[in-house]
Parts: sequence; structure tokens; C-alpha cells
Amino acid sequence: AQSVTQLGSHVSVSEGALVLLRCNYSSSVPPYLFWYVQYPNQGLQLLLKYTSAATLVKGINGFEAEFKKSETSFHLTKPSAHMSDAAEYFCAVSGGSGNTGKLIFGQGTTLQVKP
Amino acid sequence: EAGVVQSPRYKIIEKKQPVAFWCNPISGHNTLYWYRQNLGQGPELLIRYENEEAVDDSQLPKDRFSAERLKGVDSTLKIQPAELGDSAVYLCASSAAQVAGTQYFGPGTRLLVL
Repeated sequence: AQSVTQLGSHVSVSEGALVLLRCNYSSSVPPYLFWYVQYPNQGLQLLLKYTSAATLVKGINGFEAEFKKSETSFHLTKPSAHMSDAAEYFCAVSGGSGNTGKLIFGQGTTLQVKP
Repeated sequence: EAGVVQSPRYKIIEKKQPVAFWCNPISGHNTLYWYRQNLGQGPELLIRYENEEAVDDSQLPKDRFSAERLKGVDSTLKIQPAELGDSAVYLCASSAAQVAGTQYFGPGTRLLVL
């Protein structure tokens, strides 16, 4: 069965500092991986997705993630945090045998950005 | 292009009452999903439709939950009767293709059962 683990339910950074949100996945087949962001009282917005093309994926708002098969990781990074980045971030996996179309989400990581 | 529309945005009901949520997906998206998001957790799939057909409803509590997608466009999710544990955010999403197709989410319906 596929699963996603997000390390750290809360991450706090200073404005301008590096953002690193960790995601590890479990999948018996090559996965499709996603990062979504959720602002308070809103739905989920796609930041970026990996679909077996380039291992370094660039998304919106300056975020990027690197797929590392050997580490089964898909960590999200941003070089310089902005106050507007404060939100909940979800890593998700989809695809593979018996899981077509279904997104399996991690528990989420709340990003706090301090001035 | 209009996004996924959901209504109502908020709903407060007493336990044992019925409740219904409505979703209008992005035009042309054949696949529609209903997820439930409990407080402090990631969303979990309840049901997935391909056009009018429910192709994955294995996580839908069928004793009290029902869903329909007439004509393969709008969808309604119903709970009857509601229980305290049903308090959550119900998210609707749609996509244009399976597997790697990006899922676009609506704003959700926040349900509180008293």
C-alpha cells in the first residue's frame, strides 16, 4: 500500500530564511508525487507535481522539490521565505497498482514565518 | 476558467439530522472526487466518479453516506443521519485525466455536528 510521511507537523522559519518541508513516501511502483498548499478556510492549491520526468520540479511561488528514489523522498524547498508562505502544506502520492487517480495525503506541515 | 464550486461553505446541524453538500466541477473534467478532511489531518478519499459511475467508493460509510453524480457533471454528497464524528471539512475535487491528472480542489464545506 502507498503511504506518505511528512516529518514535522510544525515548521517555523524567519522571513528570508530557507524553507525545507520533508516528505517521504512508500510505493511499490513509480509514484506520482504532489505538493499542495492550503490557506485557512480554503481548498488545496497545487504547488508542483512529479510525474517521472525531471527529478527537480519547479512550482509556483518559488517552490521546488526534488525526487530522490534512493531515499524515497520528495522534500519541498524555497530559498527565501515570505510572510505570505505561512500555510498548511500537504505532500501526496498517486498512481500505481490499485490506486489509480486516488491521492493519498500526508498529515500536513504547518509553516510559520516569523518577521 | 471557473474553479470547483461547492456549497454551502459552512453548515451547522444537530446530530441525527440529514445534510447534503453540492459540488460543481470544472467544465470538461470527467473525474470527480469527494474527500473528507478531519481537523489537523490530510484529506481522505470518500468516493471517486468517472463520469456518472462511482469507480471507487470503498472508503464511503455506506450505512449513512450516499452520493450521486447525475448526468456526469454536478455531484451531491449526503449524510443521513449525521453523527458527531462527521464534523469535518468535505472537499470536492475534479480532474481531466486519471493518475497524473492534477486534481483541482474546491473551497470545501465545513460541517459541524452538535
